[in-house]
Amino acid sequence: KNEVEQSPQNLTAQEGEFITINCSYSVGISALHWLQQHPGGGIVSLFMLSSGKKKHGRLIATINIQEKHSSLHITASHPRDSAVYICAVRSHSNYQLIWGAGTKLIIKP
Amino acid sequence: EAGVTQFPSHSVIEKGQTVTLRCDPISGHDNLYWYRRVMGKEIKFLLHFVKESKQDESGMPNNRFLAERTGGTYSTLKVQPAELEDSGVYFCASSPGTRETQYFGPGTRLLVL
Repeated sequence: KNEVEQSPQNLTAQEGEFITINCSYSVGISALHWLQQHPGGGIVSLFMLSSGKKKHGRLIATINIQEKHSSLHITASHPRDSAVYICAVRSHSNYQLIWGAGTKLIIKP
Repeated sequence: EAGVTQFPSHSVIEKGQTVTLRCDPISGHDNLYWYRRVMGKEIKFLLHFVKESKQDESGMPNNRFLAERTGGTYSTLKVQPAELEDSGVYFCASSPGTRETQYFGPGTRLLVL
């Protein structure tokens, strides 16, 4: 079992739908990252969280430290949101990022 | 401000050859990280530099991989000799401090035939 699990693996939705991607982890962490990887391959950091909630435009990330769970939400989804969304946690014991497998999101017009 | 850059963007080599990947971090970022994604698997940590020192190289798969960061600026990752299972995408990231957001380069796609 991976230390970071994401669900779903794949998600296809219609433009305008509210999207939720989940991340659960089993290790002690100092921070959790949500990252986006577009088909071209580059990775962009969206959020770094250690508690609570952060919002940037149509993206919202939440984390529940007690439950070891985080969610990434996209409101009013758009085809340009199509990408792979990856959850990664920074371990307490060192500064390594432990990565989830990613969620492939496709938003259809 | 220039982002993290990586060179080359793609490399196709034969098994047994040597390949050197380069990463230029954002200027002033002391922390530099190497990661890789091999086919069908999660991205994995390889190593972490703080300036020119290797802070953590526990993710390096074997002694065919050698990373350097002379002078604490750019870093190179050499694979010698390359094996088929080394194929994948190698990402570099940098951050000002260890607890701060990491900024990623576009990756180098390595294919070993």
